Amino acid sequence: GAVVSQHPSRVICKSGTSVKIECRSLDFQATTMFWYRQFPKQSLMLMATSNEGSKATYEQGVEKDKFLINHASLTLSTLTVTSAHPEDSSFYICSARGSGQSNQPQHFGDGTRLSIL
Amino acid sequence: RKEVEQDPGPFNVPEGATVAFNCTYSNSASQSFFWYRQDCRKEPKLLMSVYSSGNEDGRFTAQLNRASQYISLLIRDSKLSDSATYLCVVNAYNFNKFYFGSGTKLNVKP
Repeated sequence: GAVVSQHPSRVICKSGTSVKIECRSLDFQATTMFWYRQFPKQSLMLMATSNEGSKATYEQGVEKDKFLINHASLTLSTLTVTSAHPEDSSFYICSARGSGQSNQPQHFGDGTRLSIL
Repeated sequence: RKEVEQDPGPFNVPEGATVAFNCTYSNSASQSFFWYRQDCRKEPKLLMSVYSSGNEDGRFTAQLNRASQYISLLIRDSKLSDSATYLCVVNAYNFNKFYFGSGTKLNVKP
């Protein structure tokens, strides 16, 4: 089955640090990757949609300069949380879908638990 | 109105019970439908896609009713390990847009 790897799984760092999260599709080419954030006991919230070789599309209310997304290849997208603050602490999850038919599901990475002190 | 709506539950059922969840969607042009399960503090995992004719995978049966714009998930012979939050996901006419329900929590008790 489709496998998506996300790294790191856990980050604890000081306020003001920038944190980079990688999302890789291991056994398929992902033309589109999605980045989500989930606070405790809440639903997944889509932050941005990333298409290989083009700029990401951010959802309303998500600061593109704060959350930098790069999708340079068909198997890798990265999310950088710049100058992170405690309110950025959350569970960040990426997902990927393959190219081809429009009815393909998303496959999720393991998630990154970010804690900013 | 939300794009996808689910009863948040929780559904508390004994082991061996049959339980069903429904999920309604607002956009009649929606093209594809999925059920995911999410365990506490984990990522969502694809449970099954939902096909127009309905489909079954072991103890799980998914149905789609386009006329009434809802999908359902039936779990037979519930196991303790089925305890999780079940997310309904709908893919809109723009195939890169997915809408998530808020999830239905299931607790299977011994």
